[in-house]
Amino acid sequence: AQSVTQPDIHITVSEGASLELRCNYSYGATPYLFWYVQSPGQGLQLLLKYFSGDTLVQGIKGFEAEFKRSQSSFNLRKPSVHWSDAAEYFCAVGRDPTGRRALTFGSGTRLQVQP
Amino acid sequence: KAGVTQTPRYLIKTRGQQVTLSCSPISGHRSVSWYQQTPGQGLQFLFEYFSETQRNKGNFPGRFSGRQFSNSRSEMNVSTLELGDSALYLCASGWEESTDTQYFGPGTRLTVL
Repeated sequence: AQSVTQPDIHITVSEGASLELRCNYSYGATPYLFWYVQSPGQGLQLLLKYFSGDTLVQGIKGFEAEFKRSQSSFNLRKPSVHWSDAAEYFCAVGRDPTGRRALTFGSGTRLQVQP
Repeated sequence: KAGVTQTPRYLIKTRGQQVTLSCSPISGHRSVSWYQQTPGQGLQFLFEYFSETQRNKGNFPGRFSGRQFSNSRSEMNVSTLELGDSALYLCASGWEESTDTQYFGPGTRLTVL
């Protein structure tokens, strides 16, 4: 069955340090992949998306993600984290396990930024 | 363009009552999806409407229903509320059918007492 795994529930980094959030998916074909960010009490903001082509995609707020088909991964990166990046991050694929057009989300990674 | 708007933002109900949540998609978007977010189950798909027709439905009981109007605005209704229905309900709109991109609203926080 299709699934999205975010192995890290909680990550703490120092401000200015680099960041990598992991995401693995299980899907029969190359899915549409997304990263969303959610600040406390807010909705989800789209950071970036991958559909095809260049496997390194750039997003908003200085984030980027790399699609690796061989590893079924779509990890999110940022070279230098800012305190305002503290939030919860969700990886998602654009289809549910039955193939319907419905986002399937990972369980999320909560990012804490230390001064 | 204005983003997805949801009303109300916060709602408190008691068990057994029913509730209606509203969502206005981004102008020009014809698809509206609803998701439930809880600490235990995470983000789960409820249903999707496109051009006033329900196109997809998640694995939720029949107490959860929705509809979409000709202006693409959507409403979600939950009848006979249970404590477990307490959640953040998120609406998402999209038009890029081939790429599945969805843009989310701020959500409605429903508390069932």
